[in-house]
Amino acid sequence: DSGVTQTPKHLITATGQRVTLRCSPRSGDLSVYWYQQSLDQGLQFLIQYYNGEERAKGNILERFSAQQFPDLHSELNLSSLELGDSALYFCASSVGRLADNEQFFGPGTRLTVL
Amino acid sequence: GEDVEQSLFLSVREGDSSVINCTYTDSSSTYLYWYKQEPGAGLQLLTYIFSNMDMKQDQRLTVLLNKKDKHLSLRIADTQTGDSAIYFCAEKEDTDKLIFGTGTRLQVFP
Repeated sequence: DSGVTQTPKHLITATGQRVTLRCSPRSGDLSVYWYQQSLDQGLQFLIQYYNGEERAKGNILERFSAQQFPDLHSELNLSSLELGDSALYFCASSVGRLADNEQFFGPGTRLTVL
Repeated sequence: GEDVEQSLFLSVREGDSSVINCTYTDSSSTYLYWYKQEPGAGLQLLTYIFSNMDMKQDQRLTVLLNKKDKHLSLRIADTQTGDSAIYFCAEKEDTDKLIFGTGTRLQVFP
């Protein structure tokens, strides 16, 4: 158990819908990262927040957005869902600006878009 | 550009050593990582190496880094069936984000 929790574990929805994925980082971690794992794209970095502020952005679509709240939990919002958005979405957390930046991953949310 | 490559599959006999290879492109990478993903599970950090090191050993795991060739390897000694999983290498650049490889599926047979 990494200490990072994600809800829900599974999500099945239809095209065009909007969903919210939630992540709670390990106690004391200030950074939260979101990754998408799909069969065709592999494991890709989406976005990072540090202490409530956006820190880095990767291959995140405009239909997707995220935020980190004052209690440091984070939400990833996916809208106008398409079939290709079906994937495993991981959240990771780290202490923050340490050189080794060890990231601890949650168990993931499996999103299926029908 | 960012590109981390790994071979897709590796099959070894139980008790043998496994060597999983990775090549990366960004010479400014500061840390390189190995993660393990078991079926239906998240990613587990196995080990990491700082870019100014050539080798790191941690119990059955040995990481070798050839910075000149941008080549990273993970050796698992005395491979067990419980080591069957997908192994990802990842590089960290100046930012905090990780760039992951394609993953190598390790299958251990008795």
